[in-house]
Amino acid sequence: DQQVKQNSPSLSVQEGRISILNCDYTNSMFDYFLWYKKYPAEGPTFLISISSIKDKNEDGRFTVFLNKSAKHLSLHIVPSQPGDSAVYFCAASVLPGLGYGNKLVFGAGTILRVKS
Amino acid sequence: DAGVIQSPRHEVTEMGQEVTLRCKPISGHNSLFWYRQTMMRGLELLIYFNNNVPIDDSGMPEDRFSAKMPNASFSTLKIQPSEPRDSAVYFCASSLGWGEQFFGPGTRLTVL
Repeated sequence: DQQVKQNSPSLSVQEGRISILNCDYTNSMFDYFLWYKKYPAEGPTFLISISSIKDKNEDGRFTVFLNKSAKHLSLHIVPSQPGDSAVYFCAASVLPGLGYGNKLVFGAGTILRVKS
Repeated sequence: DAGVIQSPRHEVTEMGQEVTLRCKPISGHNSLFWYRQTMMRGLELLIYFNNNVPIDDSGMPEDRFSAKMPNASFSTLKIQPSEPRDSAVYFCASSLGWGEQFFGPGTRLTVL
């Protein structure tokens, strides 16, 4: 059973427009959510995160929104740039005890293509 | 810092052979994770270590898979015997506690 789902395998957006990537989760115990970005032949890199006590977190062009009642989060990229073309993974976790690693559950990823 | 180092970057082997993937985490990090990425299942956690001790290996698919972390600067993931369905990209990541996980470049494994 997939606890974290990214239902759109791909998304194509024009440069300068908004990109919206969506993610749904089923486990109500998740209290921490992250987005990772991955370029070909590289490992994923952390992009932005949000705790369950918040409903929005912003970092430059990237904003993550969390709707706990709907078990849904989204990543907004404004404005989109060609360099944003990559695979975006949504991830969720139950924050562990102090000093322990964070066991992340990832979605399948969404390929974003930003056209110039 | 050089980041998380994985070797080899590419591995092609024949079914039935033993495969060993290696990882050097970022110095000072105390948590190490092994992930596998496939088209069908996306990015899935296989096992993670905390202070060199395996904490959760529930994602390890079968007994053919084993992982060790003999010290804070080295970990291995072994597949014996390998099968074509093990073909995937295997990532190692490390973190300090539950902080940001830093991923290595991955090892692309092809089992013929």
